[in-house]
This record gives sequence, C-alpha cells and structure tokens, in this order.
Amino acid sequence: GAVVSQHPSRVICKSGTSVKIECRSLDFQATTMFWYRQFPKQSLMLMATSNEGSKATYEQGVEKDKFLINHASLTLSTLTVTSAHPEDSSFYICSARVPGKTEAFFGQGTRLTVV
Amino acid sequence: RKEVEQDPGPFNVPEGATVAFNCTYSNSASQSFFWYRQDCRKEPKLLMSVYSSGNEDGRFTAQLNRASQYISLLIRDSKLSDSATYLCVVNIVANDYKLSFGAGTTVTVRA
Repeated sequence: GAVVSQHPSRVICKSGTSVKIECRSLDFQATTMFWYRQFPKQSLMLMATSNEGSKATYEQGVEKDKFLINHASLTLSTLTVTSAHPEDSSFYICSARVPGKTEAFFGQGTRLTVV
Repeated sequence: RKEVEQDPGPFNVPEGATVAFNCTYSNSASQSFFWYRQDCRKEPKLLMSVYSSGNEDGRFTAQLNRASQYISLLIRDSKLSDSATYLCVVNIVANDYKLSFGAGTTVTVRA
C-alpha cells in the first residue's frame, strides 16, 4: 500500500506553545490530505481537509485559527496547533488520498500531550 | 444520530473461535465501505474493502446489506494476533473522499 509518514510520533509541550505536525506522502503525490483527531475510546473525527495550493476546509466546530493547516506541496501537509492547551491533548492522525483509490492511507499518528 | 455506529464490544473469544459483529450507517447514499484495524495507540490500517456481493480475505469475511444499511465482519479461526479494535468506515458522498468512522469494536482473543 501507499506510504504516509507522520512526524513526530509523540510530543509533549507546555501550555501556550505551538506544535507543528508533518504529514508526508512518500511514494505518491497527494493533492488531498485529511487531518483527524482521536480521543481515547472514541472514533476518528475529521478536523479538516487539506488541499494542495489552496486553503484547507475545516469541519464544523474546528477553529481554523487554532489549527493551522498548510499544504504547500504535493507531498507535504502540516498541522500546527497554536497556543496549545491541555484539552488539545489527543492523538492526531493524517491520511492521504491516493489517486484512483477510495480507501485512505494513514500516517503513524502523533500523540500530543499538553502540560 | 451518528453516521456510523458500531457495537463497542468487547468481544472476548478463545483462540480458534468465530466472532462476528456489525456496523450500521445512516446515509442510504453511502458509496464505499471498509473495515480497518486499529491496534492500541497506533494508526488504523486497512483490513479489507466491502463489496456489494460480499467478499472474503482468508479468515475474514465481510458482507454488505444495503437494504438494512449495515455491514458485517466475521473472523474465523481467531488468532491471538487478531486482538484489536475494528473500525467500520464509510465514504458517504460520491466524489468526496471524506470518510466517516465508527468508534470501533474491540476484539480480544485469549489463549
């Protein structure tokens, strides 16, 4: 299957700081990437759809000024959690759509802990 | 109502047993269906797509019932390594590749 690499896998940061998470498609070009958040024992919730060369589309209830998404190239999308608070602690996962396929391929996920 | 609902389980079964569980979806126009497997604190990985006629991949069998809007997964001859959370995933809108996820069904296979 297609390879999606996400970095870092784990990060601990202080409240009020910003954290950047990278999502790369390693062996294909991804015009669209998706960012999800998963709290313990809950389903993945789509936060936003990242489109190469244009603004991201955010789901209802997701603050676009807090979760900054940049998709500057066909192989890289970044999610920056700005002014992080403890309630932002979660598992963040990206996925990319492979042209011609409907299933999603996921990055390894980033476990964010805000202290 | 949630777009995708699953019985959270847990299903606790002995090795070699058969375990089956369902997932229901609310939008009758849903286009594509998948089962993903998620191990603890890891990313989801595609187990299998679900086709209208039903399909089998080794010990795993998936069925789709459009009339009743559910899909099922059956695992035969369970292995310890099958212990995981199984996510039901639905592509709701054609040409829009957003996926909706169920909360997962936890399966634990014991020796």
